[in-house]
Amino acid sequence: EAGVAQSPRYKIIEKRQSVAFWCNPISGHATLYWYQQILGQGPKLLIQFQNNGVVDDSQLPKDRFSAERLKGVDSTLKIQPAKLEDSAVYLCASSFNQVSYNEQFFGPGTRLTVL
Amino acid sequence: QKEVEQDPGPLSVPEGAIVSLNCTYSNSAFQYFMWYRQYSRKGPELLMYTYSSGNKEDGRFTAQVDKSSKYISLFIRDSQPSDSATYLCAMNMNSGGYQKVTFGIGTKLQVIP
Repeated sequence: EAGVAQSPRYKIIEKRQSVAFWCNPISGHATLYWYQQILGQGPKLLIQFQNNGVVDDSQLPKDRFSAERLKGVDSTLKIQPAKLEDSAVYLCASSFNQVSYNEQFFGPGTRLTVL
Repeated sequence: QKEVEQDPGPLSVPEGAIVSLNCTYSNSAFQYFMWYRQYSRKGPELLMYTYSSGNKEDGRFTAQVDKSSKYISLFIRDSQPSDSATYLCAMNMNSGGYQKVTFGIGTKLQVIP
């Protein structure tokens, strides 16, 4: 079974530029998560999708971050414009569903550096 | 006060030692308690999860939950250099009909050969 795929693995941009990350979850997983992990901290949930609908985006900085999950499969997370404090690893995870406890499977992450 | 508190370490132990990792939490609504292992430049992977108070064993790993004290632990017996990683505790609750997971900041463990 293929795992969660993410690209790119690394990205370096200057502040005020825009950037996009892509995630392909495990086949058949209805729930998709984007997390931000700042160095030395645990993952912080940015947005959670159930199929192609948003169920939680309470911690997403909506003035600069956006995310979509077209057709309930792949997802993209965009930052526009980026700030220095956005430097972090962006992790995508997926689970079978969100009805009850389901293991979350994580991708390798995209490491973003904002200069 | 954070919902989940975890000592960031780093924790350095000799090979073969017993390792004890701990987290405390404040939210009584948490139902499931997980431990994830994260190697450098990798995503977290689930080690164990528990639902009720008590112990759960899997090979060299034992997860312990004390809901009355809001305290969870992970014990690693006969630690190996390959156990060197960051260990994240995580807690799950039902929030508005969906599952919400909160992570600790992680404890960095180094097992020295």
